[in-house]
Amino acid sequence: LAKTTQPISMDSYEGQEVNITCSHNNIATNDYITWYQQFPSQGPRFIIQGYKTKVTNEVASLFIPADRKSSTLSLPRVSLSDTAVYYCLVGAPRLDTGKLIFGQGTTLQVKP
Amino acid sequence: DTEVTQTPKHLVMGMTNKKSLKCEQHMGHRAMYWYKQKAKKPPELMFVYSYEKLSINESVPSRFSPECPNSSLLNLHLHALQPEDSALYLCASSQGPDSYEQYFGPGTRLTVT
Repeated sequence: LAKTTQPISMDSYEGQEVNITCSHNNIATNDYITWYQQFPSQGPRFIIQGYKTKVTNEVASLFIPADRKSSTLSLPRVSLSDTAVYYCLVGAPRLDTGKLIFGQGTTLQVKP
Repeated sequence: DTEVTQTPKHLVMGMTNKKSLKCEQHMGHRAMYWYKQKAKKPPELMFVYSYEKLSINESVPSRFSPECPNSSLLNLHLHALQPEDSALYLCASSQGPDSYEQYFGPGTRLTVT
């Protein structure tokens, strides 16, 4: 399982786009990049998963450069309710049999 | 129904008590998980059940005993816990063990006195 590095915390204001970058220099060929969001006193929630280039869903976009050594989670026009911890995970689901290993995460604080 | 439910929400127990945490999902998922989360720390995987069989035990002390009675239910039996076991215990499920898209319950906040 590749190790990930994320900023410990970030601040933003309502309405801004937020980009959280995750570094994973030793990512393996079979590894996918997965992001989770966790609000205080709740379980984590799956946001998005990708392998290369760009993935977009109704919540976020995930940008992955060609070398795949980093990835960026992009949250468009954040609101106060997006204040949460965001976790980047890297691993091969089919090889690691669902073994999610959470890193330290990035605490995003959205201000009015 | 995309919900994982956990009971109880809160639990306070003494070090000599025996208690159980319960988790339920009705999404037809065949993999279920227990995680432990201490305050301001990331969740840590404890156990993985795949098709109702224990497939991963992350070297968890024997005072924690998981059980999967059927594909929808997951229990965590607790006995002779220590105060340092106080944490949020999270249950999750996924379609299969080869999926990183896991659905988490709200957790049980456990306090050991």
